[in-house]
Amino acid sequence: TQLLEQSPQFLSIQEGENLTVYCNSSSVFSSLQWYRQEPGEGPVLLVTVVTGGEVKKLKRLTFQFGDARKDSSLHITAAQPGDTGLYLCAGASNYGGSQGNLIFGKGTKLSVKP
Amino acid sequence: DTGVSQNPRHKITKRGQNVTFRCDPISEHNRLYWYRQTLGQGPEFLTYFQNEAQLEKSRLLSDRFSAERPKGSFSTLEIQRTEQGDSAMYLCASSLDWGNEQFFGPGTRLTVL
Repeated sequence: TQLLEQSPQFLSIQEGENLTVYCNSSSVFSSLQWYRQEPGEGPVLLVTVVTGGEVKKLKRLTFQFGDARKDSSLHITAAQPGDTGLYLCAGASNYGGSQGNLIFGKGTKLSVKP
Repeated sequence: DTGVSQNPRHKITKRGQNVTFRCDPISEHNRLYWYRQTLGQGPEFLTYFQNEAQLEKSRLLSDRFSAERPKGSFSTLEIQRTEQGDSAMYLCASSLDWGNEQFFGPGTRLTVL
């Protein structure tokens, strides 16, 4: 069974602080996606990483895919209250012939206080 | 903006009743996925369609659940004889094809009393 573990589960910080969220697995994924979800809404895609060692930047957000394609991290610089939400990592399943459905971590609930 | 849409957004029903949800994917997306998300968890895969063909079902999809995508466009998810354990957010996503990014709808929140 493919699993993705995210840490920390909860994070409460002050505006302006930096933070890093981790997504780890013992399985290799062909790609990893990061989503942000607001309460009562569906996940919104932030980025997809495909190549081992890949780094992508989205304004103050930096995403990295591990060299072995088993882990990923999301770093936010100078967090703002608008960054508050549930951050989910998801890997494309390739277990048991499955093709393409996403396996999600439990998420990191981020709260940024002004 | 023609993103993924889902209806209804909220549904409250009594145990034992049947409910049906609808998902309209992004136009020209061939793949459509259903996921379920309970409180404190990430979404869990239920089933997916490639055009009108249902190609995979999760073990989470009991016999009380059925999904269709009759013309390869919109999809419906029906739950028969609902149970309190069915209370969750039901999410639909679509992608252009295999290996492409999945885009999610706003979800349908089901509460079974």
